[in-house]
Order: sequence, then structure tokens, then C-alpha cells
Amino acid sequence: DVKVTQSSRYLVKRTGEKVFLECVQDMDHENMFWYRQDPGLGLRLIYFSYDVKMKEKGDIPEGYSVSREKKERFSLILESASTNQTSMYLCASSLSGGQNTGELFFGEGSRLTVL
Amino acid sequence: GQSLEQPSEVTAVEGAIVQINCTYQTSGFYGLSWYQQHDGGAPTFLSYNALDGLEETGRFSSFLSRSDSYGYLLLQELQMKDSASYFCAVRGGGFKTIFGAGTRLFVKA
Repeated sequence: DVKVTQSSRYLVKRTGEKVFLECVQDMDHENMFWYRQDPGLGLRLIYFSYDVKMKEKGDIPEGYSVSREKKERFSLILESASTNQTSMYLCASSLSGGQNTGELFFGEGSRLTVL
Repeated sequence: GQSLEQPSEVTAVEGAIVQINCTYQTSGFYGLSWYQQHDGGAPTFLSYNALDGLEETGRFSSFLSRSDSYGYLLLQELQMKDSASYFCAVRGGGFKTIFGAGTRLFVKA
């Protein structure tokens, strides 16, 4: 089974802190995604990556950056956390090319609270 | 812009059939997916339609009409455990995938 692991289930940070959210997948997937989920807004795409060192902005990239130095790992960085970044963050991965079945595999989520 | 519209909430009784609609407006379209998410859990994949028509997987079916930018998820023989949020998602160019705001399904006894 595909496993997507997010490093922390719950984090509490202070305004202005730098925050790293780590995500690792074990199925050699090319595509990786970061979403945030807020009540009534669904999942909103922050960034995605289709290959090592490649990244594309999603719909709400402001205040975030990402890093993909290795195929299995995709990190989300909040350079200076703000209270409006309090949210559930979900990482996902998928296959690329002709093997893609449309399925995204999600991690369990990281609930970030910024005080 | 890009948007997906789906009802915010649907209520149905156990054993019934319910349809959750999704209309989309996106730049680039490769397919429509559906996901289920229980409270506190991660979204889990239900189905994917790349071509027009109906796809059936057990009690769940999904339909796509590309010309109408419309799809739906059909849940039959509803069970209490089907109470969850359901999201439609569009795969666009470069495998970018965006989601709707979700439909909360309440199944009553």
C-alpha cells in the first residue's frame, strides 16, 4: 500500500516563527501536493511538484514556499507564520504519465495552530 | 478563474439513493475525481472519470459529461457509515488537481 507520512500531526507555533512541514511518500510517485483544509472551503492547493526540484504554485501560494530535494520528500515552509495560517495541512502524492489513475494518496494531515 | 461547485449539505435516509452534483470551470481538464472524508480522517479516493459516461464501483457510481462541465456521485443503498464529506476534484494540466468545497452527507436512520 502507498504510504504518505506527514512528520507532525499537531503543531503549535508562535506568530513570526519559521515552520517546516515534512511529507514523505514511499511509492516512488512523481507528483506531490500540499493543500490546506479549512471548514467550508474544502481543500485549497498551495503548491505542487511534478519532479525533483520542480514546483508549481497552486491557488494560494502566498506566505508559503516548498522544497523538493529528493523524490520521496516534499516540504512546506512557512517563512513567518501568521494566525491566518492556522489550518489543517494535507500532503498528497500521485503517479505521473500514463500510469496516473486520477488518484491522490493523502497523508493523515498536520494541524497547525499559530498563536 | 477556476471553480468547482457542489452542494454544501445533503441529507438522506438509510437505504435510499443520493446524488451529489459537481459543476466545474477550469483551465485544462483531464478528469474528475471523487473523494470521501470522515471527520478526523484523510480524504480517500472513490472514483475517477476521464471520459463521458458512468463508472460503477459497488454501491458508488460516478458520472461525467465533459460538454456540460458536470459530474455527479451516486450513492446507493445508503448506510450510516456513508455519513461523511464528499469532494469532487478536477485534474488539470500538469497533474494539478483542485478540489471543490465539499458536500456534507448526513444519513439518517
